[in-house]
Amino acid sequence: KQEVTQIPAALSVPEGENLVLNCSFTDSAIYNLQWFRQDPGKGLTSLLLIQSSQREQTSGRLNASLDKSSGRSTLYIAASQPGDSATYLCAVRIAGTASKLTFGTGTRLQVTL
Amino acid sequence: GAGVSQSPSNKVTEKGKDVELRCDPISGHTALYWYRQSLGQGLEFLIYFQGNSAPDKSGLPSDRFSAERTGGSVSTLTIQRTQQEDSAVYLCASSLEGAGKMFFGSGTQLSVL
Repeated sequence: KQEVTQIPAALSVPEGENLVLNCSFTDSAIYNLQWFRQDPGKGLTSLLLIQSSQREQTSGRLNASLDKSSGRSTLYIAASQPGDSATYLCAVRIAGTASKLTFGTGTRLQVTL
Repeated sequence: GAGVSQSPSNKVTEKGKDVELRCDPISGHTALYWYRQSLGQGLEFLIYFQGNSAPDKSGLPSDRFSAERTGGSVSTLTIQRTQQEDSAVYLCASSLEGAGKMFFGSGTQLSVL
């Protein structure tokens, strides 16, 4: 059974800092991995999707990396802003099962002024 | 529409009543997912529809839960004889293809009294 863990569970940083969020998964036979953000009381917003054959994806100040063999992904946020405050979730899709997106429990990020 | 639309946004019901939750996916998206997010918990997969294929119902927690997708578009999740443990946010998502980037709606907050 695929298990997805995110560390830390919560993080508070001052504005302007660069930060890294971690995601680990137990079964390396994944099809892809997706990072989301969730604002309080809202649904999830997709940030980046990395296919299993890729090593990283970038969008603006966000960079996600994938090391399938070690079962790890990181989300790097450069020059953090208060608007980045949210819960960040990673989710993996197991190879051969398009429906099975397994989510981590998230990292709650607060960027302070 | 521009995004995934869910209705109602909030639903309060009494224990034992039936409820219907609606999801309007992004036009042209062939895959549709239902997830449940309980307070302090991760996202729990419920059901997945892909085109005309038989849905993957493996995540439905009991036979009180059912879902249908009419005409390959709108989906309805029905919970019969609701229980207090059914209280959660029910999230719907769609993707262009089975394993593609997922787009979530804002969810339906269900409260069973």
